[in-house]
Amino acid sequence: DADVTQTPRNRITKTGKRIMLECSQTKGHDRMYWYRQDPGLGLRLIYYSFDVKDINKGEISDGYSVSRQAQAKFSLSLESAIPNQTALYFCATSDPAGRYNEQFFGPGTRLTVL
Amino acid sequence: DAKTTQPNSMESNEEEPVHLPCNHSTISGTDYIHWYRQLPSQGPEYVIHGLTSNVNNRMASLAIAEDRKSSTLILHRATLRDAAVYYCIPTRNQFYFGTGTSLTVIP
Repeated sequence: DADVTQTPRNRITKTGKRIMLECSQTKGHDRMYWYRQDPGLGLRLIYYSFDVKDINKGEISDGYSVSRQAQAKFSLSLESAIPNQTALYFCATSDPAGRYNEQFFGPGTRLTVL
Repeated sequence: DAKTTQPNSMESNEEEPVHLPCNHSTISGTDYIHWYRQLPSQGPEYVIHGLTSNVNNRMASLAIAEDRKSSTLILHRATLRDAAVYYCIPTRNQFYFGTGTSLTVIP
């Protein structure tokens, strides 16, 4: 089983709709992240959470909100989706005490806003 | 902010070594250099990291310049499965993946 899972894997929605992307992890990591990836722009950080009570804005948080329901779950919401939020979204986790302090990424959610 | 510079793209023949360069001239003395790769339709995955000494693991080798202003990820024998985007990231910029180097492996 995958350590970091994302649901849904693909989603098509319309402008103005509220959308929630979910991320779950079984790695036991305290730190979780949401990124978006656009062609030619690399990955950009949206929000991050260093533990259940800690939420921080990343580089491009406008138009997004997050919820850290538990250590294992970190959800990303688009309150009112717009077409330029069409992108590939990745969730990631990390353990700062881990041997390599690397980030572990989920498989991604492809979101299309019409 | 420790900026990095990588070539946008590189090509390699299958089963030949590949040297992927990264310039990080403003890196601080305590920043590690992390390398990730992103295979098509997947999330990035960790490859290797180092501070000063050259490092080896089952995936690759990392050669770090003595002045730490540059590093090179070495794939000893490129395979088709190594076709990916490779990112070089200093610790302080660990959330900024940039656009990396897109590696094409030619059969």
